[in-house]
Amino acid sequence: DGGITQSPKYLFRKEGQNVTLSCEQNLNHDAMYWYRQDPGQGLRLIYYSQIVNDFQKGDIAEGYSVSREKKESFPLTVTSAQKNPTAFYLCASGSGLNTEAFFGQGTRLTVV
Amino acid sequence: GQQLNQSPQSMFIQEGEDVSMNCTSSSIFNTWLWYKQDPGEGPVLLIALYKAGELTSNGRLTAQFGITRKDSFLNISASIPSDVGIYFCAGPPRYTVTASKLTFGTGTRLQVTL
Repeated sequence: DGGITQSPKYLFRKEGQNVTLSCEQNLNHDAMYWYRQDPGQGLRLIYYSQIVNDFQKGDIAEGYSVSREKKESFPLTVTSAQKNPTAFYLCASGSGLNTEAFFGQGTRLTVV
Repeated sequence: GQQLNQSPQSMFIQEGEDVSMNCTSSSIFNTWLWYKQDPGEGPVLLIALYKAGELTSNGRLTAQFGITRKDSFLNISASIPSDVGIYFCAGPPRYTVTASKLTFGTGTRLQVTL
């Protein structure tokens, strides 16, 4: 089936540890995005990539890093520099030809 | 930066009732997107609007792109329990042709009682 897969669904980490969230898509989309969602809030853009080997900071990039070595994959690393990492993280992709974004099922990260 | 205000923030309705919600912006949008998010899941695209005045339906859902291009409306007719969730409006800044800078509203939480 075509779609966007995020893994794992739930992730627990100790404070001070880096953690990498996976996002894979088989929709042949050029663009991929990472959003963060806090309770009762909308979605805020962390990083986005419009083409392989290129990515741009979104509105809240501090404490996060990404890579885009393959078209299908856009992993997000939450570093120890992120002050409040506990959140729901959503990956999305789009064809780049229009404005629609399609989302994965999300990863809930809890840092204890 | 741009902000999208959604109202109401939350609503409780009875099964079978019609629902209306809206989204307003401080600036002009060329595209309006409506998403629904179930608890613990990613948002799912419901309707996309590309032209001022456009009225588009998807089953029991109808959305309109406001004439001023600063607002959009979503209506759900004859609500059912599975309509429960959070509805988000979203749009890119003017002159943007990708979703790279989608701005999301804060959402309208819908709860349906039997």
